[in-house]
Amino acid sequence: KQEVTQIPAALSVPEGENLVLNCSFTDSAIYNLQWFRQDPGKGLTSLLLIQSSQREQTSGRLNASLDKSSGRSTLYIAASQPGDSATYLCAVSLMFSGGYNKLIFGAGTRLAVHP
Amino acid sequence: NAGVTQTPKFQVLKTGQSMTLQCAQDMNHEYMSWYRQDPGMGLRLIHYSVGAGITDQGEVPNGYNVSRSTTEDFPLRLLSAAPSQTSVYFCASSYRTLSLSEQYFGPGTRLTVT
Repeated sequence: KQEVTQIPAALSVPEGENLVLNCSFTDSAIYNLQWFRQDPGKGLTSLLLIQSSQREQTSGRLNASLDKSSGRSTLYIAASQPGDSATYLCAVSLMFSGGYNKLIFGAGTRLAVHP
Repeated sequence: NAGVTQTPKFQVLKTGQSMTLQCAQDMNHEYMSWYRQDPGMGLRLIHYSVGAGITDQGEVPNGYNVSRSTTEDFPLRLLSAAPSQTSVYFCASSYRTLSLSEQYFGPGTRLTVT
């Protein structure tokens, strides 16, 4: 059974720091891995999608890497800002049934960036 | 595009009551799904649909029904609400199978069952 774990569960950093969020998964037979951002009381916003054949994706100050063989992904946030404060979720896509792929989510890392 | 919309945003039910959570998307996505989010557990798949007229169960389907009569709409019905169904419900859609495309989420419905 696929399990997704995110460490740390919560993180508080001063503005300007570079930081790394970790995601690990138990079964390497994934199609892709997606990082989401969730603001309090809001839905999920997709940040980066890494296909299983890719090693990393970049968007602005965000960089996500994927190592399928070791079951790990990291989300790197450069020069953090207070506006980055949110919960970050990672999810892996795998085959479910009837040809449908489902997402298995980690519990998230709650990030607070203080001025 | 409005993206994925959900109504209502908040709902309080008494045990045994029924209700329907609405979900609509205007992106012509074939794939739609419902998740529930509970503290410390991430999101779990309730039901999904790969197209109009086709639905199937996810990981935690008990107590919920769905139907997909149009591409745009995917309502979730609670037949007889229970306190264990207190949660935040998210609807999501994607253009193609998740092995190829990202998933878009609605803003969520926060449900409390007393």
